[in-house]
Amino acid sequence: AQSVTQLDSQVPVFEEAPVELRCNYSSSVSVYLFWYVQYPNQGLQLLLKYLSGSTLVKGINGFEAEFNKSQTSFHLRKPSVHISDTAEYFCAVSRYTDKLIFGTGTRLQVFP
Amino acid sequence: NAGVTQTPKFQVLKTGQSMTLQCAQDMNHNSMYWYRQDPGMGLRLIYYSASEGTTDKGEVPNGYNVSRLNKREFSLRLESAAPSQTSVYFCASSGPGGQPQHFGDGTRLSIL
Repeated sequence: AQSVTQLDSQVPVFEEAPVELRCNYSSSVSVYLFWYVQYPNQGLQLLLKYLSGSTLVKGINGFEAEFNKSQTSFHLRKPSVHISDTAEYFCAVSRYTDKLIFGTGTRLQVFP
Repeated sequence: NAGVTQTPKFQVLKTGQSMTLQCAQDMNHNSMYWYRQDPGMGLRLIYYSASEGTTDKGEVPNGYNVSRLNKREFSLRLESAAPSQTSVYFCASSGPGGQPQHFGDGTRLSIL
């Protein structure tokens, strides 16, 4: 069975600083990996996805993530955050089906 | 370009009342899902439907029923609401294998 661990429940950071949100998954087979963002009182929006190919995936709003098969990680990064990036971020995994397994989320708080 | 539409957006129920949450998508997706989101627990799958006429249990199906009325619509019913079902409910839909899920804005349900 697959599972997803988001190691940090909250990440505080100052505006224009870099940020990394960590995600580890457990699966003995190949998986698809996703990062979603949830702004207050809204649904989830797709930031980026890894299906196959290049291990560095670029998404919307300047975010990127790197798939590391040996470490079973899919960490999300942004070189310079903005106040508007304050939101909750979810890592998710699926394997050849449409069902997703979500992590518990990381709340990114950007301070001026 | 509505995407996934959920109704209602907010609802307060008394213990023991019944209610149906509605979801419709206009993207011609085969797969649809119902999740609940609780603080610190991420999103947990309640039920999903891989195609019109089929439904399957997810991680937390107890106390819920679903109906895939047609390809567009997937409803979630609480037959006898309990305070433990106070949550934010999200509907989502997706295309075939590896395609990202698209989410509605959620229904915030409180059961007193």
